[in-house]
Amino acid sequence: DAKTTQPPSMDCAEGRAANLPCNHSTISGNEYVYWYRQIHSQGPQYIIHGLKNNETNEMASLIITEDRKSSTLILPHATLRDTAVYYCIVRVAIHTGANSKLTFGKGITLSVRP
Amino acid sequence: DGGITQSPKYLFRKEGQNVTLSCEQNLNHDAMYWYRQDPGQGLRLIYYSQIVNDFQKGDIAEGYSVSREKKESFPLTVTSAQKNPTAFYLCASSIAGQGNYGYTFGSGTRLTVV
Repeated sequence: DAKTTQPPSMDCAEGRAANLPCNHSTISGNEYVYWYRQIHSQGPQYIIHGLKNNETNEMASLIITEDRKSSTLILPHATLRDTAVYYCIVRVAIHTGANSKLTFGKGITLSVRP
Repeated sequence: DGGITQSPKYLFRKEGQNVTLSCEQNLNHDAMYWYRQDPGQGLRLIYYSQIVNDFQKGDIAEGYSVSREKKESFPLTVTSAQKNPTAFYLCASSIAGQGNYGYTFGSGTRLTVV
């Protein structure tokens, strides 16, 4: 799986949009971009994934650049409950054996301030 | 409701004792995974299993053992050979071969060895 690079931390004001960047310059054509988040002392939670088109769901939006070498997770109206570690991961969609595992880096710590 | 259950949430053991962490899922997922998380670090894969009676070592399998006798259950034993067992342990499951469904994580077990 391609590796990802995320800044270690960022903060934003409550009610404002939080834009979390991720670089994945070695991503392959068949690899998807996934985002998970982990609130303190809980298991990670799936947020969203995409291949090349922008995606939106009830939690967030995912913007992938045209060359697919980077992406941005957008939380449109951040709340205090969005304070968490956010992981950006790339992986092939159809996988068996060793390709089935998700590899988590250190992620980016988002702090939402009142 | 379908989900993945880890028990207990907190576990204390004396050094030199083996301890088994429970992970049960009723999502009918084929694949199950065990991760370890240390403070300020990402998740590291210990073991994973794609089908019943089959499992593979992850990146840090030394000092751990698993079994997969039932589809629903994937217990992890932390043996006395594990030099630094104190950590947060996370179990996850997914539909094998279809990464787009993402992983479902349990709420974790915090193991402290004294």
